[in-house]
Amino acid sequence: NAGVMQNPRHLVRRRGQEARLRCSPMKGHSHVYWYRQLPEEGLKFMVYLQKENIIDESGMPKERFSAEFPKEGPSILRIQQVVRGDSAAYFCASSPTTDRSGNTIYFGEGSWLTVV
Amino acid sequence: GQQVMQIPQYQHVQEGEDFTTYCNSSTTLSNIQWYKQRPGGHPVFLIQLVKSGEVKKQKRLTFQFGEAKKNSSLHITATQTTDVGTYFCVKGGGNKLTFGTGTQLKVEL
Repeated sequence: NAGVMQNPRHLVRRRGQEARLRCSPMKGHSHVYWYRQLPEEGLKFMVYLQKENIIDESGMPKERFSAEFPKEGPSILRIQQVVRGDSAAYFCASSPTTDRSGNTIYFGEGSWLTVV
Repeated sequence: GQQVMQIPQYQHVQEGEDFTTYCNSSTTLSNIQWYKQRPGGHPVFLIQLVKSGEVKKQKRLTFQFGEAKKNSSLHITATQTTDVGTYFCVKGGGNKLTFGTGTQLKVEL
């Protein structure tokens, strides 16, 4: 049973280019989350998606960032016109369900974006 | 935002010494989770505490949830080099986890 798969693991982009990060949830999981971790900091929630729906995007920057989870294929976090401040580790996580007491989610190994 | 504060931010110990990290919230928590992240790695779920005053043990790790459900602690007995990493307490609010500030543990031989 494969875990949460993210690719690429490492990505280098020049300022102004686009970055696309992909995430395939664990088998049987229909909920996907994206978190960002800046150096020496904790993870910050960005967005929560179910198939074809964005449920909560309260942590997403208003501009340049978008996320999708299509009916077929992986979830994609897209960053347009990257800037140096976008350099961070982006973690995807998945869970099978949600409940009021909080759910255990499983993280992928992350995608490290470096903007030069 | 509703932050979850952890202290200390960093801790260096000699192998064999004990280690404790504390987590405090300004609001009452429905539950608290703990994650460990190794350097260069991803967060790995350790445990979830739900009940007031709950204590759970995993080998050398002891987790406590405060009576008022506003604080929690993680205690490691006789640290080993494999304990190196950052320990996060995490509060789960609906579908969104809020990570604490983390305690980075370094273990020296």
